[in-house]
Amino acid sequence: SQQGEEDPQALSIQEGENATMNCSYKTSINNLQWYRQNSGRGLVHLILIRSNEREKHSGRLRVTLDTSKKSSSLLITASRAADTASYFCATGGFRDDKIIFGKGTRLHILP
Amino acid sequence: NAGVTQTPKFQVLKTGQSMTLQCAQDMNHNSMYWYRQDPGMGLRLIYYSASEGTTDKGEVPNGYNVSRLNKREFSLRLESAAPSQTSVYFCASTPGTAFYEQYFGPGTRLTVT
Repeated sequence: SQQGEEDPQALSIQEGENATMNCSYKTSINNLQWYRQNSGRGLVHLILIRSNEREKHSGRLRVTLDTSKKSSSLLITASRAADTASYFCATGGFRDDKIIFGKGTRLHILP
Repeated sequence: NAGVTQTPKFQVLKTGQSMTLQCAQDMNHNSMYWYRQDPGMGLRLIYYSASEGTTDKGEVPNGYNVSRLNKREFSLRLESAAPSQTSVYFCASTPGTAFYEQYFGPGTRLTVT
C-alpha cells in the first residue's frame, strides 16, 4: 500500500507562475523526499527533508513539512517549460530499509 | 561515473518465457531496489537488498526473484512472464536504507504478449 498521496493529480500553469503540489501521508516518518520524472526517464531526486525540519530550499524549490498534519508541500517558483514532469513524494520510516512512493502529480507548464 | 545502469532498455516476451533484468551501480552503494511503474500507480517496490548478501520482499514480489550478485549488481528475474508483468522496471541504489536519496537507472520497458 502507498504511504504518500499527492494532490493534485495533474496541474497546468502558465510559464512564470508558481506551482504548488501537496503530499499527505499516514504514519510517522523519518524523512520525506521529492523526486521528478521526465517523460520516459528515471526519477531524479530533488530534495530530502527530515522529520525535525520544517522548511528546506534548493534553488527555485521550496519544501515544507508539517508532521502534525502529516503533510508536505513542494513549491516551484517562476516555472519554466523544462519543469514539465511528474513529481513524486516518498516517505521513509524509522525502522524500514525502504521508502514508499506516492502516485505523483503531473505538472504541465504552458508557454 | 555511470551511476545506475540497466539492461536491456526494451524487451518483448511471450507469455511463459523467462528473462533477467540486470542492474549495476558504480557508486559503492549498500542498498539496491527494484520497482515497477504502471500508469496511474506510481512506483511499487518489488524487492530490495539493504546490503550485500541480503534481499527482502517489497509490495509486489509475486512472480519475481532477485539476486544480489555482489555489491555492484542486483538482478531481477521473471521465471514465467505473464501479461500482468508488462510494465516499466526501475532499479535504484542508495548509500544506505531509507535515510538517503535514491539514484535511479533509466528503466527497462517490458511488454509481455
